[in-house]
Order: sequence, then structure tokens, then C-alpha cells
Amino acid sequence: ELKVEQNPLFLSMQEGKNYTIYCNYSTTSDRLYWYRQDPGKSLESLFVLLSNGAVKQEGRLMASLDTKARLSTLHITAAVHDLSATYFCAVTEGGAQKLVFGQGTRLTINP
Amino acid sequence: DAEITQSPRHKITETGRQVTLACHQTWNHNNMFWYRQDLGHGLRLIHYSYGVQDTNKGEVSDGYSVSRSNTEDLPLTLESAASSQTSVYFCASSAEWGGELFFGEGSRLTVL
Repeated sequence: ELKVEQNPLFLSMQEGKNYTIYCNYSTTSDRLYWYRQDPGKSLESLFVLLSNGAVKQEGRLMASLDTKARLSTLHITAAVHDLSATYFCAVTEGGAQKLVFGQGTRLTINP
Repeated sequence: DAEITQSPRHKITETGRQVTLACHQTWNHNNMFWYRQDLGHGLRLIHYSYGVQDTNKGEVSDGYSVSRSNTEDLPLTLESAASSQTSVYFCASSAEWGGELFFGEGSRLTVL
């Protein structure tokens, strides 16, 4: 059974700082997603990573995938308040169409 | 624009009552999913469907059922609501195998 774990679960940081959220998964998978959720809102897709070594960047966010280590990272560069949200990684379960989600990382960026 | 809508957005019900949450998508996606979101658990899959007349159980399916009579709709029914089913429920759809999920706005259900 596929397990997806994120850490940290809570992260409070100051504007301008850099930080990384980690996503580990337990079995082989062929794609990984990162989603963002604002309080009381739905989930918005940020990135899809399809192969080992894949790197995607959008603004201050950069996601990478190491399929051998079964690890993805979401790196935040020079954080700004607008990035405050909960971030989820999700992994496809091998041979199935369904996504398994991590617990989410609640990110708070303080001025 | 194509979209996915859920109703009701908020509902309060009593223990033992039957509740149905509606999900309607206009993307013509074959794949539809129901997740529940609880603090500390992320999103957990309840049921999913790969097409008309197809339904499958997810990891937390006990006490829930779905039916798929057309491409656009996947209603979620709680046969006899329990307090443990108080949660936020998200419907999602995708176009391809293991593809990106598009989420509805969520339905917040409170069971008293």
C-alpha cells in the first residue's frame, strides 16, 4: 500500500527566507503532483513531475523529483506572505489512476 | 468554461439521517473521485469511478456509497450519517490515467 509522508507538517517562516518541504513515498510511482490550498478553498495544482530528476519552477517555488530515493522537494526561495497556504504532494499508486495524498504542510510566512 | 461543482457547500444533519452530496463536472472526464479532508490526515479517498456504471472503493469507503449513471455526475451518499463523518468533502475529476485532478470547491458536512 502506498504511503505518502510530508515534513514538516507545520512551518512558520519569515519573509525573505528560503525553505524546503519534503515528500517521501513508499512504493514506485510514475508521477508526483504538488497542490496548494488556501484556507477554506479548494486545491490548485502547482506542478506535475513525471520522471527522475524532473525539476519545475514557477516564481519562488521549485519542485524536484528523485524517484530512486522516492523523494520530492518543494523549495521556497525568498518567501513572501502570499505563499502562505497548505501544500500537498500526491503520488499515483502504481497501475491505478488514483492519487494518494500526503498530510499537507501548513506554511505561514510572517512579515 | 468547464468546471466541477459541488452541492450543497455546507450542510448540517443529524446522526442516522441519509445525506447525498452532489458532484457535477462539465469537462466530460471519465474519472471522478471523492475525497474527505480532515486535519492531520490530508485527503483520503472514499470512492472513485473510471466511467459510467463503474465504481470502486477507496481507503475509507465504509458508510459511503456512489453511483455513476452518466459521465457528468458522481453523487456521494452517506446511508446513515455518523459524527465521525463530519468532514470537508472534495469531488475531483481527471481526464487521463493518473492525471492531474481538478477539484470542486468542497462540501462541509457537520453531523450532530
